[in-house]
Amino acid sequence: EDKVVQSPLSLVVHEGDTVTLNCSYEVTNFRSLLWYKQEKKAPTFLFMLTSSGIEKKSGRLSSILDKKELSSILNITATQTGDSAIYLCAPRSGSARQLTFGSGTQLTVLP
Amino acid sequence: DSGVTQTPKHLITATGQRVTLRCSPRSGDLSVYWYQQSLDQGLQFLIQYYNGEERAKGNILERFSAQQFPDLHSELNLSSLELGDSALYFCASSDRGSGEPQHFGDGTRLSIL
Repeated sequence: EDKVVQSPLSLVVHEGDTVTLNCSYEVTNFRSLLWYKQEKKAPTFLFMLTSSGIEKKSGRLSSILDKKELSSILNITATQTGDSAIYLCAPRSGSARQLTFGSGTQLTVLP
Repeated sequence: DSGVTQTPKHLITATGQRVTLRCSPRSGDLSVYWYQQSLDQGLQFLIQYYNGEERAKGNILERFSAQQFPDLHSELNLSSLELGDSALYFCASSDRGSGEPQHFGDGTRLSIL
């Protein structure tokens, strides 16, 4: 059975701090790994990673995949209160490319 | 705005009833995915359709069914509803051919009384 573990489950930081969120996975027929940010409603797409060791960046967010270790990290630098959300990691597997979601990391950024 | 539209936003009904949730994918997307998000289970994949045909099944109960119509909109039918079916139901779409990521609608919150 496919398995995704995210850590930590919850994180509280102050504005300006840097955070690292972790994702470990075991899925059959791995295709890629996606990160999403979920505030009150729909998960919003952040990154899609397919190759090991290649960092994807978008502003203060960056992410990298390690296929050998079956893991990925999401970094957020200079955090802002608007970064408060649940961050979900989801490996995509199989011919249908369905996503298996982790339970998420709840990030709270205090002013 | 992801471009994926789900209706209704909220649905309140009683046990034993049947409901239909509707999803319109982003323009040009051929794949539609349904997910259930509950507090204790997180986001769970239910079923995928691609261009009108079922492509993959996840943890979908037999009481649930879905279809995708020629205009590519999709409906998720939930019947003989139980209290445990209360959850947020998301639809996502992607253009499978290009390998684009899935984009999610805002979800339908289903409450069973």
